[in-house]
Amino acid sequence: EVQLVESGGGLVQPGGSLKISCAASGFVFSFSDSTIHWVRQAPGRGLEWVGRIGSKGGGHATAYGASVQGRFTISRDDSQNTALLVMDSLKGEDTATYYCRCTVLKKNWIDAWGQGTLVTVSS
Amino acid sequence: SYDLTQPSSVSVSPGQTAKIPCSGDVLAKKYARWFLQKPGQAPILIIYNDDERPSGIPERFSGSSSGTTVTLTISGAQVEDEGDYYCYSAAGDNLVFGGGTRLTVL
Repeated sequence: EVQLVESGGGLVQPGGSLKISCAASGFVFSFSDSTIHWVRQAPGRGLEWVGRIGSKGGGHATAYGASVQGRFTISRDDSQNTALLVMDSLKGEDTATYYCRCTVLKKNWIDAWGQGTLVTVSS
Repeated sequence: SYDLTQPSSVSVSPGQTAKIPCSGDVLAKKYARWFLQKPGQAPILIIYNDDERPSGIPERFSGSSSGTTVTLTISGAQVEDEGDYYCYSAAGDNLVFGGGTRLTVL
């Protein structure tokens, strides 16, 4: 059973940067075959897709939501079974719990989520 | 507003059937998924491809689809099924979500 653990959340000032991590374990397949998504949920609001990084076979292609394009960067280290979300130029509206999600192409039953890490952007 | 529309809450008595609909134009072309989130816990996938159940998910959970609406059905709901249920789907690179339905079983 795939397990995901996010870490690195905390308080950051507007305009600042923060890096959060997603550590994966429990694979019966190779982590490098997975696609890692980041999804966030602001307090009292709905879920919003932040972006994703594709598998090694897909060239680790990235895509981002419009509200974070150009400010957030997703990367991964397949040797460490981890993914990173680097957030720059943070705004108050980026305050949210950030979740990582793992899927595998053609294995639609694999759709694991972490518990989330809270990022608060405030002065 | 959300890309997918769900009722904000559903309440049933233990043993009754709970139905949670989710509607949106993307569902006419793309599969839906459902996850359950309980306070302080990671979301858990309970339905994928509109109506398929991952291993380990009880048989009382089922999904169906018709046009632009998918429905999660819990047949014989139990107290431990309480929580927030979200439908979601892929729209290109993006994921779109419903606003979530709080299921109460009491």
